[in-house]
Amino acid sequence: NAGVMQNPRHLVRRRGQEARLRCSPMKGHSHVYWYRQLPEEGLKFMVYLQKENIIDESGMPKERFSAEFPKEGPSILRIQQVVRGDSAAYFCASSPRFSQEYLTGELFFGEGSRLTVL
Amino acid sequence: GDSVTQMEGPVTLSEEAFLTINCTYTATGYPSLFWYVQYPGEGLQLLLKATKADDKGSNKGFEATYRKETTSFHLEKGSVQVSDSAVYFCALSEGSESGGGADGLTFGKGTHLIIQP
Repeated sequence: NAGVMQNPRHLVRRRGQEARLRCSPMKGHSHVYWYRQLPEEGLKFMVYLQKENIIDESGMPKERFSAEFPKEGPSILRIQQVVRGDSAAYFCASSPRFSQEYLTGELFFGEGSRLTVL
Repeated sequence: GDSVTQMEGPVTLSEEAFLTINCTYTATGYPSLFWYVQYPGEGLQLLLKATKADDKGSNKGFEATYRKETTSFHLEKGSVQVSDSAVYFCALSEGSESGGGADGLTFGKGTHLIIQP
């Protein structure tokens, strides 16, 4: 009974490189959320996706960041041309749809991917 | 928009002390309220939740009561342990039975709790 799986757990990139973070939701969950946690700060919502659909990307930076959740495979958060300010922990969470857990807003989080930009 | 305000840390206590972490919220509707805990190097775990006014969530000795009149959801524990050292996040969700809401959680900034032996 696997939970939300994120990989890689740790990623180091040099400025200007690309970072790809993957998230496999819990079995039976079709909704994925990405959050960013900057050092000494709380979690900030980035994007909410269903399979093949971006529902809300109001928290995504306008440039360099993109997210997808294809019909098959994990959700991917992609950061192009990374800068030092992108260094953070990126958390993925999932929820089911039309279930009691969904109605109460409970999300199930992965262990996060920690991006360090040199 | 929705917002969550919680007391700033770090909060440092001795083992067996009484803990209160304050949390207040602003929401347009009738949100569900949550406390999440993040242990060092790990992701967030749901600690407890309450879905309507006067509900009390409880888990692992922690409690929080949904107070609509004061828009608060303070976290309490009668006797803390060193293993409770973590970051605690208060959060809300404006979920609706129509299924049209609940587009994620709104988090507070987190309170770092340090328990000393």
